[in-house]
Amino acid sequence: EEQLLESGGGLVQPGGSLRLSCAASGFTSNNYAMNWVRQAPGKGLEWVSSMSGTDGSTYYADSVKGRFTMSRDSSKNTIYLVMNSLRVDDTAVYSCAKSFGLGVSSSMDLWGQGTLVSVSS
Amino acid sequence: QSVLTQPPSASGTPGQRVTISCSGSGSNIGGYTVHWYQQFPGTAPKLLIYTDDHRPSGVPDRFSGSKSGTSASLAISGLQSEDEAYYYCSAWDGGLRGVVFGGGTKLTVL
Repeated sequence: EEQLLESGGGLVQPGGSLRLSCAASGFTSNNYAMNWVRQAPGKGLEWVSSMSGTDGSTYYADSVKGRFTMSRDSSKNTIYLVMNSLRVDDTAVYSCAKSFGLGVSSSMDLWGQGTLVSVSS
Repeated sequence: QSVLTQPPSASGTPGQRVTISCSGSGSNIGGYTVHWYQQFPGTAPKLLIYTDDHRPSGVPDRFSGSKSGTSASLAISGLQSEDEAYYYCSAWDGGLRGVVFGGGTKLTVL
């Protein structure tokens, strides 16, 4: 069974850093585009970052560009999101999602349950 | 403000047909495929429609998607109480070089 399990969330002060992990099982994440999507409390879905399955290119929302970095460890079948210079408005549940295909424009057909990131002093 | 525009709410009675619209531009819906997600409160989103009008295995054929120009629609026929959820459209945006989501539509079954 294909699954995604996120970890690494928690409470952090403004300006702090966190590294989120997304462990994939039941499939090889290298063979698909992978994504991070967040949802602030009571708000809608907001795309954060994507990594292409073809060449590993990464794409970021303007709101996180320069502060967040997405990467993957093929040996661990895990993707990461390193978040620096965190702001209060980064508070959200962060979910990773597998794309249907290699391309970043593909639909997201498998989602994890998410990990909560709270940024507060 | 979301790049893709959806009505914040929609409603219908059991058995009715309901449509949810999603409006964008040439850089997203007009140039790329549209996907729809269903989300119940406190749970992960679920892919409902992909590539404009395709249903993943297991999604009832009561759900259908369509696209014309820079707009897309999700239709739910034979509305059931368990369809009460949030619905989001999304597409790749070639200008922004990223995924864009609609603001979401809360569907209420009266």
